[in-house]
Parts: sequence; structure tokens; C-alpha cells
Amino acid sequence: EVQLVQSGAEVKKPGESLKISCKGSGYSFTTYWIGWVRQMPGKGLEWMGIIYPGDSDTRYRPSFQGQVTISADKSISTAYLQWSSLKASDTAIYYCARQAWAGHWYFDFWGRGTLVTVSS
Amino acid sequence: EIVMTQSPATLSVSPGETATLSCRASQSVSSNLAWFQQKPGQAPRLLIYGASTRATGIPARFSGSGSGTEFTLTISSLQSEDFAVYYCQQCNNWPQWTFGQGTKVEIK
Repeated sequence: EVQLVQSGAEVKKPGESLKISCKGSGYSFTTYWIGWVRQMPGKGLEWMGIIYPGDSDTRYRPSFQGQVTISADKSISTAYLQWSSLKASDTAIYYCARQAWAGHWYFDFWGRGTLVTVSS
Repeated sequence: EIVMTQSPATLSVSPGETATLSCRASQSVSSNLAWFQQKPGQAPRLLIYGASTRATGIPARFSGSGSGTEFTLTISSLQSEDFAVYYCQQCNNWPQWTFGQGTKVEIK
């Protein structure tokens, strides 16, 4: 069974750093892209970026480039999303999702999300 | 960036009726379009990919159509569990995917 298990909720202060995780199981972690999606409180979905764990090829949406870092450790089948200096506007739920290909790209399996709250 | 625009923002439908949701792309995305359902407190769930292919386990009452810039998600004979928010997503402009702002399907 394919699963993406995300790390637990975080409460941080502005300026602090944070790294959240997404552990894949039930499939070959190195042969599927993993994407990250932000959902701000009461808002819609925003695609942030994507990584191919097999070679760590990473792509970002321009508006997130330089704001976050996406990485992966294929030895433990885990992808990461990190911030070096959080802002209140980073408060959101962050989802990881597996990207598959069957003639078209699509996100077929999703983690349950990690709620990040940034407040002084 | 390709902008995806969904309409209407909210759709009020009675159980058993048909809901028709629209998604428009600012430029052609061919048939590289997916639909997701999201219920409160849950992650999105893939319904449709490739504009018209149902994902594994998705009931036949969900159907997708369209290509280019105009797409439709049709939910026939709405069930109580179908009341949720629906998002379209273009997967054409690799890898700069974008989502629509969502359509909330509520009970009339």
C-alpha cells in the first residue's frame, strides 16, 4: 500500500527555522517525483515545488524559489521542506504528494498534511 | 504562469441532482488537467487525470471532459459524501503546475 506519512504539527516563532518531512512507503521512492503543496488557512491549493529523490533534481515555483528548500534522503525514503527564517505568512498546511505518469502527470497519493503555525 | 479559473465559486445542489463544474485555463493545457476533491480536514483526493480518466476507485458518477482551455467536471446523482470543494490543476507546463481557486459544492 502506497503511503506518504508526514511529520506532526509545528508551532514556531517568526525568524525560527523549520524542516518538515514526508516519508514514502509501499513503492519505489526513488522513481517518483514528490511535490509540495501549500494551503493557507481557508484558502486553496498552491503548488510549491517538486523533487525527484533518485537524483535530487528539484524544481520550484518562482514565487517560492529562495523562500523554501526542498530536499530528499533516498536512503530513508524521505522528502523534506525547510525554511531558514519563518514568517507569520508561512502559517499553512503543507501537503506532500506523489507525482505519477500515465501519459499525463498527476498527483495520485497525498500525505495528510503538516500544519505549521508561525506566531510570536 | 498558467492561470486556472474555476466557476462558479459555490454551487448549491440537491442530493440526487447533477453538478457541473467548470475550469478554464489562460492558455492551452491540451488534456493535461486533473480534478481533486477536498473535504474539511482532509487531504485532496485525485478524481480525474488526463482531463477524463477516472483515478482508481473513483465512482462512475464522476466524469471529466474538455481539452485546450475549457474543462468540465460532472458529478451525476450527487451523494451526501460528494459535498466538498473541488479543484482543477493543470499539469501541462512542466513542472510549473497550477491549481484553480476551487468550487465548493454545497447542499441546496
